[in-house]
Amino acid sequence: EIVLTQSPATLSLSPGEGATLSCRASQNIRTYLAWYQQKPGRAPRLLIYDASKRATGIPARFSGSGSGTDFTLTISNLESEDFAFYYCQQRDDWPPNFTFGPGTKVDIK
Amino acid sequence: QVQLVESGGGVVHPGRSLRLSCAASGFTFTSYPVNWVRQSPGKGLEWVAVISYDGSQMFYADSVKGRFTISRDNSNHMVYLQMNSLRAEDTAVYYCARGRTPHDSATPFDYWGQGSLVTVSS
Repeated sequence: EIVLTQSPATLSLSPGEGATLSCRASQNIRTYLAWYQQKPGRAPRLLIYDASKRATGIPARFSGSGSGTDFTLTISNLESEDFAFYYCQQRDDWPPNFTFGPGTKVDIK
Repeated sequence: QVQLVESGGGVVHPGRSLRLSCAASGFTFTSYPVNWVRQSPGKGLEWVAVISYDGSQMFYADSVKGRFTISRDNSNHMVYLQMNSLRAEDTAVYYCARGRTPHDSATPFDYWGQGSLVTVSS
């Protein structure tokens, strides 16, 4: 079973700053990694899929990178609506199986 | 626009059953896989199950295998999650979520419902 580890657990930043979130997989997952944003009481929103592809309607300040076991979500120039939880997710090629990381909370300093 | 609306949640005793429904609209339902994902109160996300676009294949997380059954009605644009032998640890908000790639069950989730709370308690 593939385990995802996210760091840091909490990131305290000010609007306008940049954020770098890390996700590490316990084994090689190629680029089968997605990132989601979730706000309290709301459903998650897909930000990035296949490690670096932005989902429909996602602003360019969100970018993803990495392959294999180490992945990064970068948010440039944080806006107030970006303060939320962020989860990474990996997918097995076949049969379908999905695992989420424990999440990173980005809050206002 | 794409919409997924869950219903059927509530409070249920351990060992009992409950069926969740997910009503889909705004897209070609018969082309897309649909997943169930759950989130325990204050916790992270856990994938539960996926059903293929045509309902011919279903896959489950180990934690629910043998107890939960996912199904779909393509005529009425509905997906269901039948949950049997419920346990306290099944308490969660349950989301249905569309797989983003048509005809591919192993794909991330691009649209989500608002969630339905299931509480398993005596």
